[in-house]
Amino acid sequence: EAQVTQNPRYLITVTGKKLTVTCSQNMNHEYMSWYRQDPGLGLRQIYYSMNVEVTDKGDVPEGYKVSRKEKRNFPLILESPSPNQTSLYFCASSPHMIQGFNEQYFGPGTRLTVT
Amino acid sequence: AQKITQTQPGMFVQEKEAVTLDCTYDTSDPSYGLFWYKQPSSGEMIFLIYQGSYDQQNATEGRYSLNFQKARKSANLVISASQLGDSAMYFCAMREGISGDMRFGAGTRLTVKP
Repeated sequence: EAQVTQNPRYLITVTGKKLTVTCSQNMNHEYMSWYRQDPGLGLRQIYYSMNVEVTDKGDVPEGYKVSRKEKRNFPLILESPSPNQTSLYFCASSPHMIQGFNEQYFGPGTRLTVT
Repeated sequence: AQKITQTQPGMFVQEKEAVTLDCTYDTSDPSYGLFWYKQPSSGEMIFLIYQGSYDQQNATEGRYSLNFQKARKSANLVISASQLGDSAMYFCAMREGISGDMRFGAGTRLTVKP
C-alpha cells in the first residue's frame, strides 16, 4: 500500500531531551516536507526537501533539523526540545515539485508534547 | 506577511445545502498552485482539489468546485449538497512557482447540521 508513515504517533518528552521523529514513504517520491499544526495557525512548513541531499528551510525552521540521506526517509530532529514545540507534526511527500499539479500525500501525524 | 487568509474560523450549513469557504492569497509570482485539504476529526489530511494559476476553467471534483477569481486573488471552495461527513476543518494552501515552499491558511471548521 502506498503510504507515508511516521513514528512515533504520540510522544511525551521533557525539555532538552533530543528526539527524532521518523518519516518514510514507499512511493519513490522526490519531494518531502515537514509541517507543524497549531490551533488557529493552520499548518506551517518547517523544512522541505526537493530531492536526496537537498533540504531547505520553510516558514518555521528554528529548533529543528532534518536530513535526506536516502529518498524514502526524511527524519525530523529536535536537538533540544522546548515546550513551544508541543504540536501536531505532519510529514508529506510528492512525486516532484516542478511547475504543475502535484498532490502531497500526508502521513498520519505525530502528536508531540514537551513538558 | 500572511500569504493565505481564511477569514471564517467556523461555518455552519444545513445538510443538502451548498456552502462556500473563503480563501484569499497574496503572491507576485504569475505561476502558482492553489490547494484545498480536508481534515476530519480523525486528523488525517485529505486532498480535495487543485487550481493552477494558468488554468482557464475553475477546477471541479465531484461535489467540490473551486471558484477561482484571479484578479481578486481569491480561491473559494464550494461544496454542493453538503453531507454530515463534510463536517471537518478545511485548509486552503498555495505553492508559488517551482518552489517547494507551501503555505497554508489557518483553516475553517465546517459543521453540517442534520
